[in-house]
Amino acid sequence: EDQVTQSPEALRLQEGESSSLNCSYTVSGLRGLFWYRQDPGKGPEFLFTLYSAGEEKEKERLKATLTKKESFLHITAPKPEDSATYLCAVEGGGSYIPTFGRGTSLIVHP
Amino acid sequence: GAVVSQHPSWVICKSGTSVKIECRSLDFQATTMFWYRQFPKQSLMLMATSNEGSKATYEQGVEKDKFLINHASLTLSTLTVTSAHPEDSSFYICSAPSRVGEADTQYFGPGTRLTVL
Repeated sequence: EDQVTQSPEALRLQEGESSSLNCSYTVSGLRGLFWYRQDPGKGPEFLFTLYSAGEEKEKERLKATLTKKESFLHITAPKPEDSATYLCAVEGGGSYIPTFGRGTSLIVHP
Repeated sequence: GAVVSQHPSWVICKSGTSVKIECRSLDFQATTMFWYRQFPKQSLMLMATSNEGSKATYEQGVEKDKFLINHASLTLSTLTVTSAHPEDSSFYICSAPSRVGEADTQYFGPGTRLTVL
């Protein structure tokens, strides 16, 4: 059974204080690892898809990396508008249904 | 590209009534769509997989007679909550996959907040 564990559950940062969110996963035959951002009362917004170990993707202050066991979402010099819940999901094996983690709630204080 | 819409964005209804939620893929076709339920400060809970032209596949513990799903076209899936009760109050979100490479990236609708009085 596919498993996704995200840590920490919650993270408070000061504006400009860089940090990383972790997503550990277990899946047979990874086809893709996904990162989403979810604001309160809204649907998740797609950020990145990573397909294989060693791959990295960047978007503004966010950078996602992937190894065979985990993915990191690095946030460089965050701003208050980066405050949101960040969700990680994997797809692999015989199923095209993604398995989601519980998310990391990020709050960036001005 | 890859935009998914949901309607309505919020609905308030009386206990015992039925509520229909629409999910549309606006700029791509989706033979499969997914319906999720989300409680406050919790992650997404998959309810069912909607399949165009065939019956939906429900997750264990989800009442198929209460949550009716119809996927009548390649761009529209509907979720009807029948005889709604206060415990059905929740945030309902749909997603539609778009294949990029070997994986399906899920694109989510904005969600529907259902409140049953």
